[in-house]
Amino acid sequence: QKEVEQNSGPLSVPEGAIASLNCTYSDRGSQSFFWYRQYSGKSPELIMSIYSNGDKEDGRFTAQLNKASQYVSLLIRDSQPSDSATYLCAVNQGSGGFKTIFGAGTRLFVKA
Amino acid sequence: DTEVTQTPKHLVMGMTNKKSLKCEQHMGHRAMYWYKQKAKKPPELMFVYSYEKLSINESVPSRFSPECPNSSLLNLHLHALQPEDSALYLCASSQDPASGSTDTQYFGPGTRLTVL
Repeated sequence: QKEVEQNSGPLSVPEGAIASLNCTYSDRGSQSFFWYRQYSGKSPELIMSIYSNGDKEDGRFTAQLNKASQYVSLLIRDSQPSDSATYLCAVNQGSGGFKTIFGAGTRLFVKA
Repeated sequence: DTEVTQTPKHLVMGMTNKKSLKCEQHMGHRAMYWYKQKAKKPPELMFVYSYEKLSINESVPSRFSPECPNSSLLNLHLHALQPEDSALYLCASSQDPASGSTDTQYFGPGTRLTVL
């Protein structure tokens, strides 16, 4: 069974701190990795995508990918209460196609 | 513009009813998806259409019937559902399935379905 695993949390950080969210995946052939943010009762919203090893920064968000260790992470700098949500890690399996596997999500609380 | 629209926002139906969910995108995307999401769980893939042809059916019960009338529209026809089918139904689209694994999916707002 090809899996994507995340710590379900909740992860609680104070406002202004760095939130670190982690994800591991089992399929070594995976090639694309995505972070979605989902507020309660809403649909997932794309935050970041990453395809190559290393870091990718977009504003307060940094995605990190290490294919050798099969993990991907998301750092949120200067966390705000509005960042409180569930963060879903998604992995597109490399065997040609459209199947994206989602992790169970990590709930993040940013305390004001 | 990365907008995917879904109607209705909410739907309550009995187990003997027939209803349909609708999804629309005007971004020129050639792949469209249906997901089912239960509370506190990740989205589960149900169906994928690529270039208006059904590419993936994740062993979904026949009481769910997808339809892709054209490249912008995706329907999900519902018949004889069970209470356990109550969930958030999400539609997504992506630009070019031929691009393989780098294709990014964008989600619509979802339809909250309750089966009584």
